[in-house]
Amino acid sequence: QKEVEQDPGPLSVPEGAIVSLNCTYSNSAFQYFMWYRQYSRKGPELLMYTYSSGNKEDGRFTAQVDKSSKYISLFIRDSQPSDSATYLCAMSTGNQFYFGTGTSLTVIP
Amino acid sequence: GAVVSQHPSWVICKSGTSVKIECRSLDFQATTMFWYRQFPKQSLMLMATSNEGSKATYEQGVEKDKFLINHASLTLSTLTVTSAHPEDSSFYICSAPRRRGADTQYFGPGTRLTVL
Repeated sequence: QKEVEQDPGPLSVPEGAIVSLNCTYSNSAFQYFMWYRQYSRKGPELLMYTYSSGNKEDGRFTAQVDKSSKYISLFIRDSQPSDSATYLCAMSTGNQFYFGTGTSLTVIP
Repeated sequence: GAVVSQHPSWVICKSGTSVKIECRSLDFQATTMFWYRQFPKQSLMLMATSNEGSKATYEQGVEKDKFLINHASLTLSTLTVTSAHPEDSSFYICSAPRRRGADTQYFGPGTRLTVL
């Protein structure tokens, strides 16, 4: 079983839709949870970072962590064509760092 | 956020030559940096962990003699692809944690290597 599981998609939504991206994990030692956005041929960009269960909001983005279920989500409200990218979840124990495989998102105008 | 740069952003070389890629942390010191490669439409694959002042740690299946890593200072790690072949063509990305203990990673913009 992989440390981090992420549905690769691809996911295609109309502009303005709410997007839900999810990852599950098996290691209860993960303490830090991140979401990265990667545009084609660019390095990943840190979007959201959290270390506790619950929700963290930043503009149109909300990161949700449920440690009891070992499940994290990223919600994108009012999705825009510029949100079209690959979204990677990542988790860390503080000493080891793991990525999901990434979900490819396309927002159609 | 923290800034990590890479140079060059794009390089084309002939088969058999060596290519050096630099990764710099611009506004913080990084005792550890990570090197990844990424093929089109695939996820990041960790190649090695670069440790300042000591040998790099390579992931299983990565040839240490092929991919030479030097972490000579707290702000610079280099990856040298030796005797490059077309199958080494890929997108190489480095990352660094802002502080000791990998709570989050900051990525460079990546280097696209094309070997003819």
